[in-house]
Amino acid sequence: DAKTTQPTSMDCAEGRAANLPCNHSTISGNEYVYWYRQIHSQGPQYIIHGLKNNETNEMASLIITEDRKSSTLILPHATLRDTAVYYCIVRVETGGFKTIFGAGTRLFVKA
Amino acid sequence: GAVVSQHPSWVICKSGTSVKIECRSLDFQATTMFWYRQFPKQSLMLMATSNEGSKATYEQGVEKDKFLINHASLTLSTLTVTSAHPEDSSFYICSARDKGQKNYGYTFGSGTRLTVV
Repeated sequence: DAKTTQPTSMDCAEGRAANLPCNHSTISGNEYVYWYRQIHSQGPQYIIHGLKNNETNEMASLIITEDRKSSTLILPHATLRDTAVYYCIVRVETGGFKTIFGAGTRLFVKA
Repeated sequence: GAVVSQHPSWVICKSGTSVKIECRSLDFQATTMFWYRQFPKQSLMLMATSNEGSKATYEQGVEKDKFLINHASLTLSTLTVTSAHPEDSSFYICSARDKGQKNYGYTFGSGTRLTVV
């Protein structure tokens, strides 16, 4: 699986949008971009994934650049409960493939 | 949605004893499950891939005789930490894939915190 690079930590004010960047310059054509988050002492939670088009669900939006070398996860109105470590992962979509976690970004949402 | 249940959520054991952690897919079948370990303030580290009906595949550096994995049914995988030592104290997390999920994503259990004293 391709490597990803994320900032170590970020701050965001409650109610504002949180924009979390991820670089994945060696991504292959059949690899998707996945985002998970892990709230302290819990298992990771799936957020969103995409291949090349931008994606939106009830939790977040995913913006992928045209060359697919980077992406941004957007939490439109961050709340204190969004404080967590966010992991950007690239992997093929089909089953059986390992999900390898990088260091992630620690997001602090402040009141 | 897909739910993965891990049990126990925490356990304290004496050095030298063995501990078994269970990972169950509650509403789907999982031919493949994954086991991770996470030390404080670090990321998840993949330990092994558990395959139903066959031997697990271990990542480099993970002792297969120490971390025994059994995946005897499509809904249950177990990780047994044998002859546990204090350095095995960690947060152990499993994940499984529900083929029926649109995202082909992996659902994670809530984790088991193991403390070896």
